[in-house]
Amino acid sequence: AQSVTQLDSQVPVFEEAPVELRCNYSSSVSVYLFWYVQYPNQGLQLLLKYLSGSTLVESINGFEAEFNKSQTSFHLRKPSVHISDTAEYFCAVSSIQGAQKLVFGQGTRLTINP
Amino acid sequence: GAGVSQSPSNKVTEKGKDVELRCDPISGHTALYWYRQSLGQGLEFLIYFQGNSAPDKSGLPSDRFSAERTGGSVSTLTIQRTQQEDSAVYLCASSLETAPSSPLHFGNGTRLTVT
Repeated sequence: AQSVTQLDSQVPVFEEAPVELRCNYSSSVSVYLFWYVQYPNQGLQLLLKYLSGSTLVESINGFEAEFNKSQTSFHLRKPSVHISDTAEYFCAVSSIQGAQKLVFGQGTRLTINP
Repeated sequence: GAGVSQSPSNKVTEKGKDVELRCDPISGHTALYWYRQSLGQGLEFLIYFQGNSAPDKSGLPSDRFSAERTGGSVSTLTIQRTQQEDSAVYLCASSLETAPSSPLHFGNGTRLTVT
């Protein structure tokens, strides 16, 4: 079984400031890792994922996340945020075996203030 | 359509009534998933389909919950004798295949309120 902990339920930051959203996971088997984003009044969208290879993965809108196996973490970072990044962010894992049965964290609400 | 479509977008029902929630996946997507998003439990996996078969139903909370998929396309999640704790947003997602390299595309969900 897997579990995901997102340490911060809410993160307020000022525009153009850096941000880190923390995610730790627990699993008895190897996993794949994902970050999903839910913008206001929209459905969940995949932001980025780690399947294998380089432990640093990037999204098209400037977010990056680094898989740290020893610390069982997959923190999400962005060096300079924009108002449009305001959303709820969900970290998720799935076993490498079988289907994408995702186990989600509780979510982190990122609020960008001007 | 361009994305995953769910209907209705909102449903208010009385305790004890049955409800049906519908999901239209992206055309050609063989895998279909149901999740539930609630205040107390966050996002929970309910069931997934590969074609019309449901290899994993382990997330269904009780035998009041059932789901089917027909023609490898539309899926219906049915909740019988609804209870207040069933109130949540029910999300449907589809993907080309079940492999993790195939991203999930989520619908906007059905918000169910049981009064």
